Amino acid sequence: GAGVSQSPSNKVTEKGKDVELRCDPISGHTALYWYRQSLGQGLEFLIYFQGNSAPDKSGLPSDRFSAERTGGSVSTLTIQRTQQEDSAVYLCASSLRSSGANVLTFGAGSRLTVL
Amino acid sequence: QQQVKQSPQSLIVQKGGISIINCAYENTAFDYFPWYQQFPGKGPALLIAIRPDVSEKKEGRFTISFNKSAKQFSLHIMDSQPGDSATYFCAASREGSQGNLIFGKGTKLSVKP
Repeated sequence: GAGVSQSPSNKVTEKGKDVELRCDPISGHTALYWYRQSLGQGLEFLIYFQGNSAPDKSGLPSDRFSAERTGGSVSTLTIQRTQQEDSAVYLCASSLRSSGANVLTFGAGSRLTVL
Repeated sequence: QQQVKQSPQSLIVQKGGISIINCAYENTAFDYFPWYQQFPGKGPALLIAIRPDVSEKKEGRFTISFNKSAKQFSLHIMDSQPGDSATYFCAASREGSQGNLIFGKGTKLSVKP
């Protein structure tokens, strides 16, 4: 596609439920990143993929968070047993390669609200 | 540990004025410093970037100034316009490494007409 597509754009869930957030990167981009944006906290790195493997998942806040990428394309971020502190905008980005100087193209994000 | 510190948190500037946002980093291995611009409801987008072999880079009304010895870099927006109102993030990474950009916490800029 022309840009990075994320779904859903908005998700409201109850505490304790599981949620899945989807990211469709730009075709041909081998690197894919997940960031979390909380009010006043900037962009917090969660995990990145090079192809289908995740060389760096150090930013995942707890074992309730997991992500996978299949076919070198679509990625899913799963949050189990959601907590209120998980409420944030989850941003996905992709780039041609995973070199630190690459331009990241971000999606519009998935806004998660945990009640 | 916050590796990239950004200030101010918010900034109000009159139309036509100069907006200045500052960032400081700790890791001397960083060698790529981009600025991203984010409008409400959108994801951040690359605005301008610099490498430490130059002290300044200018693109239109946007200029990055870089001070390697002080481990600081700043974004200057000349002749600020209401359309520049957005949140700006500085970031840093190591060009030769695989992995993520480290972002500052952002500056919300409002340009008053």
